[in-house]
Amino acid sequence: GENVEQHPSTLSVQEGDSAVIKCTYSDSASNYFPWYKQELGKRPQLIIDIRSNVGEKKDQRIAVTLNKTAKHFSLHITETQPEDSAVYFCDLPPPARQLTFGSGTQLTVLP
Amino acid sequence: NAGVMQNPRHLVRRRGQEARLRCSPMKGHSHVYWYRQLPEEGLKFMVYLQKENIIDESGMPKERFSAEFPKEGPSILRIQQVVRGDSAAYFCASSPPSVSGPTDTQYFGPGTRLTVL
Repeated sequence: GENVEQHPSTLSVQEGDSAVIKCTYSDSASNYFPWYKQELGKRPQLIIDIRSNVGEKKDQRIAVTLNKTAKHFSLHITETQPEDSAVYFCDLPPPARQLTFGSGTQLTVLP
Repeated sequence: NAGVMQNPRHLVRRRGQEARLRCSPMKGHSHVYWYRQLPEEGLKFMVYLQKENIIDESGMPKERFSAEFPKEGPSILRIQQVVRGDSAAYFCASSPPSVSGPTDTQYFGPGTRLTVL
């Protein structure tokens, strides 16, 4: 099945700094790469996604970059705020054999 | 358009009992997925279903667990003879129909927190 590795597993940044989380996948013909945010005790929610026909997408303080040649995509959060503290998951939907979420990154933004 | 609904939100069972978790996808969505999440861990895929069909159950334990998505009504995740290790949050998600398969955003329900005593 498809493997996706997410790094780092934990990340602490000072408020106002940037945070970068990366997911690497082994082999996939997928053309859709989403990122989800899960706050403590709540459901995962999509925050940004990208399709393989573009290399970067930005939405205010959040951006996602995709490198299909190197098989990785990254989440970038600039000017971090305490409310950005959560667990972030990358996803690699089919046509990978098995729906695969990354293991998650616990982001803590320190005030 | 109501979001993905799950019930119950909390479920307590004693060892050996059965647990039934329900998921109603968003209106117009024909793909349903079930995930299990242990405390402080990631989402583990269990099963992917379309109406009346199990598409991929490779993440489902071979025994005691089953899932269905009937033509009418919600999707059901059923756990027979529950054990303490089944205690977890179970999330379902849905996505709209797509010719090429589930390549679209997944919308998650609020989850069912199962506690096995």
